[in-house]
Amino acid sequence: ELKVEQNPLFLSMQEGKNYTIYCNYSTTSDRLYWYRQDPGKSLESLFVLLSNGAVKQEGRLMASLDTKARLSTLHITAAVHDLSATYFCAVFPGTYKYIFGTGTRLKVLA
Amino acid sequence: EAQVTQNPRYLITVTGKKLTVTCSQNMNHEYMSWYRQDPGLGLRQIYYSMNVEVTDKGDVPEGYKVSRKEKRNFPLILESPSPNQTSLYFCASSFVGSPYEQYFGPGTRLTVT
Repeated sequence: ELKVEQNPLFLSMQEGKNYTIYCNYSTTSDRLYWYRQDPGKSLESLFVLLSNGAVKQEGRLMASLDTKARLSTLHITAAVHDLSATYFCAVFPGTYKYIFGTGTRLKVLA
Repeated sequence: EAQVTQNPRYLITVTGKKLTVTCSQNMNHEYMSWYRQDPGLGLRQIYYSMNVEVTDKGDVPEGYKVSRKEKRNFPLILESPSPNQTSLYFCASSFVGSPYEQYFGPGTRLTVT
């Protein structure tokens, strides 16, 4: 069964702290996507990682991909309240189907 | 403005009453897809379409139908809705070809009583 697992599922962190969200997947996929969803809103694309070793950064967020370990990380640096949201990773393993993780709900406390 | 639109945004209906949720995109994307989002389960793909008249099942297609008669439209049809189809539905689209980056519609919250 194709699975995408994220951990943690819930994360409460203080402003200014660093943390990492992990995304493990069970099938071969040479691309991985990270999305952000604010409460009651749609999904917004954050990063598209297209190859092993890919690293992308936008502001306080940095995403990386290790296709051999089937692992992607989303690192948060010096968190701020505006980063509070739910973050999803998804893989596209070549079958034209997307498989999403269950999401990580992040709450940044002032 | 490039966008994916869905209608209606909110719908409360009764068991067995056929309904259609429309999805339209103005980006000339070949690939379109429907998802449902349920608490604790993330997003699960219902159906997808690679182009006009080409559709295929996702992971949770039971109880749903789709059609793709025009490139810009991809309606989701529930012929006999049941309470377990109460969910938040998203339509998405992308170009066929790398990076297959999807753009999502605003969502449709469906309640079946």
